Amino acid sequence: GDSVTQMEGPVTLSEEAFLTINCTYTATGYPSLFWYVQYPGEGLQLLLKATKADDKGSNKGFEATYRKETTSFHLEKGSVQVSDSAVYFCALSKQDGGTSYGKLTFGQGTILTVHP
Amino acid sequence: GAGVSQSPSNKVTEKGKDVELRCDPISGHTALYWYRQSLGQGLEFLIYFQGNSAPDKSGLPSDRFSAERTGGSVSTLTIQRTQQEDSAVYLCASSLGVFQPQHFGDGTRLSIL
Repeated sequence: GDSVTQMEGPVTLSEEAFLTINCTYTATGYPSLFWYVQYPGEGLQLLLKATKADDKGSNKGFEATYRKETTSFHLEKGSVQVSDSAVYFCALSKQDGGTSYGKLTFGQGTILTVHP
Repeated sequence: GAGVSQSPSNKVTEKGKDVELRCDPISGHTALYWYRQSLGQGLEFLIYFQGNSAPDKSGLPSDRFSAERTGGSVSTLTIQRTQQEDSAVYLCASSLGVFQPQHFGDGTRLSIL
């Protein structure tokens, strides 16, 4: 079945450092890819998405590019802030009208801690 | 506007008891999903509702789990004869349609003693 694999965490960085969180996927068809973020004590929020190969999703300084050739969707940010400390989840869903109904398949999550 | 609302936010119960978890989706959202977030299994899909169509129950882990959605709005997830492995955060999400971005509630943290 479909699956998502994220780099093992936790990740600890100093403020203004460069961030990369790796995400690779296995899926049949043409999934859409997402990054969700869960801040401490809050629910999951959609951070960015990409729906087809070579699309770049971006939001709040974060970016991720849908790479079909490497089945990857790595999350990057050029300069992290303390307020970016959270758990980040990579996810996919099938948007092809099949029986998946858009349900999300998540990676295991990566805890990011940013120190001042 | 109001987001997805889940209640209770926390629930502690004894093994063997039944529990009901409630989800109130965003008004106008026709698709509703339940997920479970646990230490051992990560985030897992449980069940999906879309309008008046038959739900997709393919993610329910056992027949102790059931869910309904009344009037195309509020949904209730019921766990019968709870076990310790049911301890998790249960998340509800809704979307405008089946392929639209999902908006999540804050979840119900369920602890089975």
